[in-house]
Amino acid sequence: KNEVEQSPQNLTAQEGEFITINCSYSVGISALHWLQQHPGGGIVSLFMLSSGKKKHGRLIATINIQEKHSSLHITASHPRDSAVYICALDAQGGSEKLVFGKGTKLTVNP
Amino acid sequence: DGGITQSPKYLFRKEGQNVTLSCEQNLNHDAMYWYRQDPGQGLRLIYYSQIVNDFQKGDIAEGYSVSREKKESFPLTVTSAQKNPTAFYLCASSRLAGYYEQYFGPGTRLTVT
Repeated sequence: KNEVEQSPQNLTAQEGEFITINCSYSVGISALHWLQQHPGGGIVSLFMLSSGKKKHGRLIATINIQEKHSSLHITASHPRDSAVYICALDAQGGSEKLVFGKGTKLTVNP
Repeated sequence: DGGITQSPKYLFRKEGQNVTLSCEQNLNHDAMYWYRQDPGQGLRLIYYSQIVNDFQKGDIAEGYSVSREKKESFPLTVTSAQKNPTAFYLCASSRLAGYYEQYFGPGTRLTVT
């Protein structure tokens, strides 16, 4: 069983829709990261969180440590949000290595 | 502007040749990483370095080598011993290993035929 599971694998939405991407994990963590990878390949860090909720513009990330679950929400989605969204874990103990999910490919149609 | 640069963006090599991928950062970060990405798979760690002149193997180090002679630079050599070298390679850096977000370069797509 993978340590990090993302769902769905693929997601297609219409512009303006509310998007939710989920990340479940099975290990103790010190932090969880949400990353965005655009079609060109470059990766941008969106959030790093260890508890609660963070918001940046139309993006909201939440984490429930007890349930080992995190969600990334996009409000008022736009075609430029089309990308692969990746969940990654910092394992407990300050491991030097991130553990990555396989990503969720989001396509937002105009 | 601060950031991470990788060059080249696309690289083509013949089987049996070694090839070196460049990664430079001017963020004054101590830690640097090399990842490999294949279709349908999560990023996998090849090597990482927490300090100059020191580096550790990641999960898939076989067939690869690295050096860290300068804080700013962490080149990756894909050797002929790597069985399936065609992939997308990403370099990243962070202030310290663990606890800090990683900043990623634009990647190098290597094709070996």
